[in-house]
Amino acid sequence: SQTIHQWPATLVQPVGSPLSLECTVEGTSNPNLYWYRQAAGRGLQLLFYSVGIGQISSEVPQNLSASRPQDRQFILSSKKLLLSDSGFYLCAWSINSPLHFGNGTRLTVT
Amino acid sequence: DQQVKQNSPSLSVQEGRISILNCDYTNSMFDYFLWYKKYPAEGPTFLISISSIKDKNEDGRFTVFLNKSAKHLSLHIVPSQPGDSAVYFCAASRRDDKIIFGKGTRLHILP
Repeated sequence: SQTIHQWPATLVQPVGSPLSLECTVEGTSNPNLYWYRQAAGRGLQLLFYSVGIGQISSEVPQNLSASRPQDRQFILSSKKLLLSDSGFYLCAWSINSPLHFGNGTRLTVT
Repeated sequence: DQQVKQNSPSLSVQEGRISILNCDYTNSMFDYFLWYKKYPAEGPTFLISISSIKDKNEDGRFTVFLNKSAKHLSLHIVPSQPGDSAVYFCAASRRDDKIIFGKGTRLHILP
């Protein structure tokens, strides 16, 4: 069966520090991969999605970037965090829908 | 531009009664609709979906209704149980395209 791993579960980082969140999927090949953010009152906002290795689509201009170095690995990064980057970050995968989410990372930028 | 709208931020329902969560969408090209349930500090879990060729899909206590002319869908939970207390997200997509979520409705099941 397919599983998705996302880490860390919680993270507290100072403003201006870098960020790296990692997500891996097991039990499937060539999935579509997604990064979402849930901010207070904003619902689930799609940040990036990828249909294959090295193929990244950005939905919202921002301080973040994403990379897919391997088929089942999706990384969310930032060179310098802003206070507004705080939120709950969710990785998800799909093959022909629906989306399957990881347990999320609670990021607090201080 | 919010393509999927859940206009009720919260809803309280007595245990055993019916919960009705509503969702509106603006993009007439959407042909696949989903509902997700989310507990605090966890990722959303898929609940039920419906294709635009149908107007109703049922799975146990959960039924989703789709009204394409009104661009409206709803999720009915009957009977409501304490474990149903969660945030419910409505979502929509065109087949093989990215899924767009609403802002969610927090459902409280009252004892």
